[in-house]
Amino acid sequence: AQSVTQPDIHITVSEGASLELRCNYSYGATPYLFWYVQSPGQGLQLLLKYFSGDTLVQGIKGFEAEFKRSQSSFNLRKPSVHWSDAAEYFCAVYASGGSYIPTFGRGTSLIVHP
Amino acid sequence: DTGVSQDPRHKITKRGQNVTFRCDPISEHNRLYWYRQTLGQGPEFLTYFQNEAQLEKSRLLSDRFSAERPKGSFSTLEIQRTEQGDSAMYLCASSSSGFTDTQYFGPGTRLTVL
Repeated sequence: AQSVTQPDIHITVSEGASLELRCNYSYGATPYLFWYVQSPGQGLQLLLKYFSGDTLVQGIKGFEAEFKRSQSSFNLRKPSVHWSDAAEYFCAVYASGGSYIPTFGRGTSLIVHP
Repeated sequence: DTGVSQDPRHKITKRGQNVTFRCDPISEHNRLYWYRQTLGQGPEFLTYFQNEAQLEKSRLLSDRFSAERPKGSFSTLEIQRTEQGDSAMYLCASSSSGFTDTQYFGPGTRLTVL
């Protein structure tokens, strides 16, 4: 069965600084990978997804993520964080040969200091 | 397109009572998913529908839980004889019929069992 690890429960950055949120997955074959953002009182919103092809994926709101098979990672990055990026971020995976039901990580809470 | 809506947004109930939640998906979406999210965790899959057919259920979905999507449009999730451990955010998502299609999430229903 697939699993997802987000090792950082909280990340604090200053506005304008760069950001990297870590995600490691466990699955034997090619996974489908996602990053979602959840703001208070809001539903989860898809930032980006990876299925195949170019391992550097561009998403909305200036986010990008890189799939590294050798490291089983799919880290989310943003070059310059805005105060409005403060939210909970979830990495998710589902198996390409499985039931296509996503498994979510526990999330990373992003705090942005002015 | 008004997005996925859920009703109610908040529900407080006493242990042993039955509760029912409703989800209205995006109108043209065939697939509808239910998830449960507890504090500090990512969403956990409960069940999903393809039109009116319930195709998969998680083992998290005990006998006290039942979900329906009678006409392939809105869905209801009922919890019978609620327990304090049922306190969580219940999320609904919908997508088109492709497995890799983006899931659009509703704002969730927060259940508190006293």
